[in-house]
Amino acid sequence: AQSVAQPEDQVNVAEGNPLTVKCTYSVSGNPYLFWYVQYPNRGLQFLLKYITGDNLVKGSYGFEAEFNKSQTSFHLKKPSALVSDSALYFCAVRDPTTGGSASKIIFGSGTRLSIRP
Amino acid sequence: DSGVTQTPKHLITATGQRVTLRCSPRSGDLSVYWYQQSLDQGLQFLIQYYNGEERAKGNILERFSAQQFPDLHSELNLSSLELGDSALYFCASSVEPTSSYEQYFGPGTRLTVT
Repeated sequence: AQSVAQPEDQVNVAEGNPLTVKCTYSVSGNPYLFWYVQYPNRGLQFLLKYITGDNLVKGSYGFEAEFNKSQTSFHLKKPSALVSDSALYFCAVRDPTTGGSASKIIFGSGTRLSIRP
Repeated sequence: DSGVTQTPKHLITATGQRVTLRCSPRSGDLSVYWYQQSLDQGLQFLIQYYNGEERAKGNILERFSAQQFPDLHSELNLSSLELGDSALYFCASSVEPTSSYEQYFGPGTRLTVT
């Protein structure tokens, strides 16, 4: 079955330190991978995606993610964390059983990122 | 602001009732998606419409139905409501229905069933 896992419910980082939010996936075929962020009482916001090409993908707000095919991972990273980065982060993968005009995205369970001043 | 609008913002209703949630996609987006977010189930894909037609289905209960109208707005109908249906319901839209395109989410409708 197609799935995506976020092994950490919560990640705590001091402001100014680098941060990593982990994501692993299990899909057949080439994965389309996404990261979204959810601030309190808001909808999800798109951060970045990997479709093909360079394994290091740069996105919004200084975030980047590294696609690693051998480890089936797509970890989200930022060199220097800000308190305003505190939010809920979701990794997502396209369900490869959908295609054409059908599109189904499978979301991970989310990781709460807390940045302390 | 993503450009996706959802109404109402909050909805409180009783068990057994029926409600309708409304979503207007971003201008130009043809594809609309519905999601349910609850504490114990996370974010679950319910259904996708593209240009008025159903295209993909997820874990949507038979008591739930949706449609997309010619003006591209969409409605999610929830009937015979149960306490467990209390959740945040999100609508999202995308430029194209293909899965290489990111989705833009609305602010959600918080449904409370009492």
